[in-house]
Amino acid sequence: DAKTTQPTSMDCAEGRAANLPCNHSTISGNEYVYWYRQIHSQGPQYIIHGLKNNETNEMASLIITEDRKSSTLILPHATLRDTAVYYCIADSSNYGGSQGNLIFGKGTKLSVKP
Amino acid sequence: DAGVIQSPRHEVTEMGQEVTLRCKPISGHNSLFWYRQTMMRGLELLIYFNNNVPIDDSGMPEDRFSAKMPNASFSTLKIQPSEPRDSAVYFCASRKTGFPYEQYFGPGTRLTVT
Repeated sequence: DAKTTQPTSMDCAEGRAANLPCNHSTISGNEYVYWYRQIHSQGPQYIIHGLKNNETNEMASLIITEDRKSSTLILPHATLRDTAVYYCIADSSNYGGSQGNLIFGKGTKLSVKP
Repeated sequence: DAGVIQSPRHEVTEMGQEVTLRCKPISGHNSLFWYRQTMMRGLELLIYFNNNVPIDDSGMPEDRFSAKMPNASFSTLKIQPSEPRDSAVYFCASRKTGFPYEQYFGPGTRLTVT
């Protein structure tokens, strides 16, 4: 699975959009981009995933560049409860590749401030 | 659905004692994963099962660690004998075969070995 690179930390004002970047320049054609987050003292939580097209669900939006070398997770109206570590993962599970053993990096610690 | 259930939530034991962590995956999920999280090493995959069969245990640190999945609704991770460096939060996660492929994590077991 491709390696991903994320900033160590970010701040965001409550109510504003939080844009979390991720670089995955070595991503292969069958690898999806997954985003998880981990709120303090809890297990990681799935947020969203995508392959080529932009995706949106009730939690967030995922914007993937046309060359697929980077992506951005957008929390449109961040709240204090969105303070967490956000992990970007490239995984080929959807093609039966890695069987879903996700490789978690260090992630981005997002602090939402009042 | 109750989600992934782990027990105990907290475990404090003395060095040399046997420790058994338990996990009940979400009903209908075919794959089960055990992770360990520490400040130093982050979130690491220890072992995962597909249809109750261990597929990859390369992340198991030593022979002191063993994992079993006797049926689709129960798994254990055993450490014998335990050592202080085993202190960590242990997470269990499950997922189903087929789209979508996200993993659902339990609340974790915080293990302290003194």
